[in-house]
Amino acid sequence: AQSVTQPDIHITVSEGASLELRCNYSYGATPYLFWYVQSPGQGLQLLLKYFSGDTLVQGIKGFEAEFKRSQSSFNLRKPSVHWSDAAEYFCAVGEMEYGNKLVFGAGTILRVKS
Amino acid sequence: DAEITQSPRHKITETGRQVTLACHQTWNHNNMFWYRQDLGHGLRLIHYSYGVQDTNKGEVSDGYSVSRSNTEDLPLTLESAASSQTSVYFCASRGDMTGELFFGEGSRLTVL
Repeated sequence: AQSVTQPDIHITVSEGASLELRCNYSYGATPYLFWYVQSPGQGLQLLLKYFSGDTLVQGIKGFEAEFKRSQSSFNLRKPSVHWSDAAEYFCAVGEMEYGNKLVFGAGTILRVKS
Repeated sequence: DAEITQSPRHKITETGRQVTLACHQTWNHNNMFWYRQDLGHGLRLIHYSYGVQDTNKGEVSDGYSVSRSNTEDLPLTLESAASSQTSVYFCASRGDMTGELFFGEGSRLTVL
């Protein structure tokens, strides 16, 4: 069965510092991988996704993520964090077939200090 | 613009009552999903549908039901609400050819 682990429940970074949010997945085949962001009281918004091809994917708001098959990881990065990036971030894995149910990690809450 | 809307956004109910959360999407997506979000658990799949008259159970389906009579709507019903069902509920839809889920803004349910 698919599973997703986000080891960090909370992360605090200073504004302007770099960010890396960790995501590890368990899946037998090549997965679809996603990062979503949720601002307080809002639904989830897609940041980026990986299906195949280049293992470094670019997303919205200056985020990127790298798929490393050997480590079963899909870590999210941003070189310089802005205060508006404070939110909860979810990694998700899906099946490469019709229907594509997504399994989500528990989320990482990002706090940005000025 | 196409969208996905949930109602009500907030509801308080009593144990044992039946509750229905509405989800309506104008993307014309065949695939629709209901998740619940709880602290420390992320989002867990309750039920999903691949099209009209199709419904399937997710990992936390006990106490919940859905019906799909048209493409646009997937209402979620709690037959007899329990305090353990206090949560935030998210509806999502997905087009057939992409993996991306589009989410509603959520429905916060409190069962007293």
